[in-house]
Parts: sequence; structure tokens; C-alpha cells
Amino acid sequence: SQKIEQNSEALNIQEGKTATLTCNYTNYSPAYLQWYRQDPGRGPVFLLLIRENEKEKRKERLKVTFDTTLKQSLFHITASQPADSATYLCASPGGGYNKLIFGAGTRLAVHP
Amino acid sequence: GAGVSQSPRYKVTKRGQDVTLRCDPISSHATLYWYQQALGQGPEFLTYFNYEAQPDKSGLPSDRFSAERPEGSISTLTIQRTEQRDSAMYRCASSPGTSGDTQYFGPGTRLTVL
Repeated sequence: SQKIEQNSEALNIQEGKTATLTCNYTNYSPAYLQWYRQDPGRGPVFLLLIRENEKEKRKERLKVTFDTTLKQSLFHITASQPADSATYLCASPGGGYNKLIFGAGTRLAVHP
Repeated sequence: GAGVSQSPRYKVTKRGQDVTLRCDPISSHATLYWYQQALGQGPEFLTYFNYEAQPDKSGLPSDRFSAERPEGSISTLTIQRTEQRDSAMYRCASSPGTSGDTQYFGPGTRLTVL
């Protein structure tokens, strides 16, 4: 079955460093991938969408890559700040363009 | 409205009771989604609507779950004869277009079945 996997272990990094989060998908080829940020007690907030024909997408300090050979997307936050601490979710359509499959998310903690 | 709203924010019910959750999407958004989210997990798709049509309800766990969007705006999710395993956060999201758009999530309804 279609599956998205994210590193379930929390990622702890020092302020100012680059955080890199991984999203792997299996058993399908999504047309796009989305990344969301979720803070405790709140709904996910959309960050970036990257399509299968795009290698890389940037928005301010965020960068997403999409490698269809490795079946993987990487999400980078450069010059990380404590305010970037949150859970980051990867999602892609599976079984329908409007049916999003979400990963379990990776919790990022940026320490001053 | 300014964002997606959901009500109630918290619902505690006894096993066997019916509950109805409400979602107010961003006005004029064509597509509305319902998800179930367990603690420490990502949202899990339940169903979605394009206006009032419901093209996909494959994620609804059982026939006790149903959803409506009769006028293409507000939606309700009803769970009949609730069971303890139905306890979860139920999230609604909406998107402006009808296919593959950014989704805007509401704050969710935390359902607890005793």
C-alpha cells in the first residue's frame, strides 16, 4: 500500500544551523509533495509544495527537494531559530488527487 | 471567514451516543476535507467534498461515520453509536480549487468517548 515515512525521532539542533528533515515514499509515484508545519494544539499550516518535475523549491529560509529516483523529499531550514521548533509533516496525494496521505511528522527542536 | 473554524472544540460523550461535528470552511473554498488525527501521528484522510459532491469517502472507518455538505459550504461529520476507539482529534480543512491545492486546516475537535 502507499506509504509515507518520516523520521519519528525528534531532531535537535543548535540555533543557526541547517535542519534537514527526510520524507520517503513507497509503492507509488506522487505527482507532488507538500510540507506542513504543526505546532502543539494547532492544525497543520502549509509551507511548500513541490511537483514531480521540479527538483527544488525555495521560500525564504526553506528549501525542499524532490528526488523521484530515491523516492525521497528533503526539507531544509537554514539559519534555524528556536521559533522554528515544531512538528513538520510531509504529505502527498495517494489514491486520488485530493486524497492526501500524511507522514507521522518529525519533531524539530532548535536550541538557543 | 478569516479561517477554517470547527465546533465544538472539545466533545466528551458516552459510548453508544451519536455526535455531530461541524466545520465552517473559508468562504468560497470549493473543497472541504475531513481528517482524523491520533496523538503523535499525521492526519488520516476520512473524506472530502467538492462543493456538495462527495467523490471519495474511502477513509471513513465504518458505516457509523457519515459526512454532509448539503449547500456546498458548511459540513458536518456524524459518528453514530460512538465507541472508545473513535476518540481522536477530528480536523477539517478547505482549499480554494477542486484539485491538489494547498489545504487550510481548522483547529480541530477533540472527541473523547468514555
